Amino acid sequence: GAGVSQSPRYKVAKRGQDVALRCDPISGHVSLFWYQQALGQGPEFLTYFQNEAQLDKSGLPSDRFFAERPEGSVSTLKIQRTQQEDSAVYLCASSAGGDTQYFGPGTRLTVL
Amino acid sequence: EDKVVQSPLSLVVHEGDTVTLNCSYEVTNFRSLLWYKQEKKAPTFLFMLTSSGIEKKSGRLSSILDKKELFSILNITATQTGDSAIYLCAGTSGTSYGKLTFGQGTILTVHP
Repeated sequence: GAGVSQSPRYKVAKRGQDVALRCDPISGHVSLFWYQQALGQGPEFLTYFQNEAQLDKSGLPSDRFFAERPEGSVSTLKIQRTQQEDSAVYLCASSAGGDTQYFGPGTRLTVL
Repeated sequence: EDKVVQSPLSLVVHEGDTVTLNCSYEVTNFRSLLWYKQEKKAPTFLFMLTSSGIEKKSGRLSSILDKKELFSILNITATQTGDSAIYLCAGTSGTSYGKLTFGQGTILTVHP
């Protein structure tokens, strides 16, 4: 497709479950970013990939959060042992290398 | 720590009004400032500004950057109900791989 796609669009998890969120960036975009957006707030940076290399993971809130992009295209954000405070919209964005990032529709995660 | 602050947090106007949204930033080694429009889903790109005093314009929307006073404004003239959205601004740093530091957003509501 022409834009960034994410799946699933909605995810409900019970506290303690593991979840995996997928991002398909725009074809050919080398840079991929994950952001977390809490209700009523702006997105907050989680992690950044350039091709398959994770160059910055300083925004990951705990060691329960893990991201990968093994072939430099699709990326997966995994959250282990989910907690209620993990409830948020998770946004993925890609760029061709400049500062302009193009966002996907997000995955809304609700942890019960 | 980099910081971006937007004001007002919310704004209610009637169709035809002109609005000005404000964004101030404190970003180490500042590189660019970006504006996005978010309507329930993916933030969509509006403008990227890197130079002071040069207005960027797209239809009824325009934006300008002041690097001396560390702020940007987004103007929308002749507002329409379709302009109702959250407007986000974000800064990038030359030392952070282009990650976006977002403000909390301005919620704009345009009534008919």
